[in-house]
Amino acid sequence: ELKVEQNPLFLSMQEGKNYTIYCNYSTTSDRLYWYRQDPGKSLESLFVLLSNGAVKQEGRLMASLDTKARLSTLHITAAVHDLSATYFCAPHSGGGADGLTFGKGTHLIIQP
Amino acid sequence: DGGITQSPKYLFRKEGQNVTLSCEQNLNHDAMYWYRQDPGQGLRLIYYSQIVNDFQKGDIAEGYSVSREKKESFPLTVTSAQKNPTAFYLCASSITSGVYNEQFFGPGTRLTVL
Repeated sequence: ELKVEQNPLFLSMQEGKNYTIYCNYSTTSDRLYWYRQDPGKSLESLFVLLSNGAVKQEGRLMASLDTKARLSTLHITAAVHDLSATYFCAPHSGGGADGLTFGKGTHLIIQP
Repeated sequence: DGGITQSPKYLFRKEGQNVTLSCEQNLNHDAMYWYRQDPGQGLRLIYYSQIVNDFQKGDIAEGYSVSREKKESFPLTVTSAQKNPTAFYLCASSITSGVYNEQFFGPGTRLTVL
């Protein structure tokens, strides 16, 4: 059974600072997704990481994947208030279009 | 515009009632999914379907039922057997043959049991 652990679960940080969210998972995964959720809203796809060493960047967010360590990171550079949200990682295992297993999410608050 | 629609946005149910949540997509995706989200938690998979007239149980299928009679539609019924149905329900869809098979989510239905 695939288990996913995100940490921290809650993070309050100041604008302009850098920080990293960690996602550990327990079994082999062929790809990993990062999603963003604003309060009361649905999920928005941020990144899909397919292979070991994959790195993707969009604006102030950068995601990486280490399949050997079963670890993905989401790095925030020079945080701004608009990045305040909950971030979920979801590694995928099993067949091509099976459902995802989500972490509990990291609730990120960025203060001026 | 292509996308996923869910209705209703808010739903109130009395104990002992069955209710059905609607999910429709016009993305021509083969696969559709239902997830449940409880406050402060991640999403948990209820059911998924990779093709019309076929579906599989997810991690928390007890007390729920689904059908997939059309490619575009994947309704979820929350039965009276579901002990604690108050939650945020999210429907998603994806292609099945690509490299990414990224799941796209609908806006969600918030169910409250009175």
